[in-house]
Amino acid sequence: DAGITQSPRYKITETGRQVTLMCHQTWSHSYMFWYRQDLGHGLRLIYYSAAADITDKGEVPDGYVVSRSKTENFPLTLESATRSQTSVYFCASSGARGLDYEQYFGPGTRLTVT
Amino acid sequence: DQQVKQNSPSLSVQEGRISILNCDYTNSMFDYFLWYKKYPAEGPTFLISISSIKDKNEDGRFTVFLNKSAKHLSLHIVPSQPGDSAVYFCAASAAGNQFYFGTGTSLTVIP
Repeated sequence: DAGITQSPRYKITETGRQVTLMCHQTWSHSYMFWYRQDLGHGLRLIYYSAAADITDKGEVPDGYVVSRSKTENFPLTLESATRSQTSVYFCASSGARGLDYEQYFGPGTRLTVT
Repeated sequence: DQQVKQNSPSLSVQEGRISILNCDYTNSMFDYFLWYKKYPAEGPTFLISISSIKDKNEDGRFTVFLNKSAKHLSLHIVPSQPGDSAVYFCAASAAGNQFYFGTGTSLTVIP
């Protein structure tokens, strides 16, 4: 399907486990982003990528790792999950040449860390 | 510290009336603002934007107003429809940098 997809949509994991959230877009957009949404905080940027093999930290990067070997994929890994990482995670992409343009969001992954 | 604030977590409006959603920001360097709409179990979708060189932008039933001196923007929806019931996020960025999002306002349009 065209657009931006995330998998899994729901995930429950235990503290200390590694978990990877997947994001795939079919638009060949240059920019991709990972956000987390928490009550009282809105959406906060975790990491972003301007192109394949180029990634940079956002507002809340600690505890997360990203990679971007292909333009269409931008996985987010929690190397050792903690309860504070329980959240809804959104991936987004943008075809523009900068960070401050309209972004297209995926449907989100609800992650629970027990 | 939250740089973009939406102080009303929820708002209820009768169908056909005007909905006004408010957003305040603290960073005077912000020069581009967006509104997103989010339905449950879906990602946010872009609604309307405004740059700091303007004080108003319209798109159909949606109008965004920007008051730079007050560091305030608002989204007006006229007339409101039941399908507008969603969570609305405002977002702001400065000079090509990342967006900062507000905490969202849940709008309910009562038929």
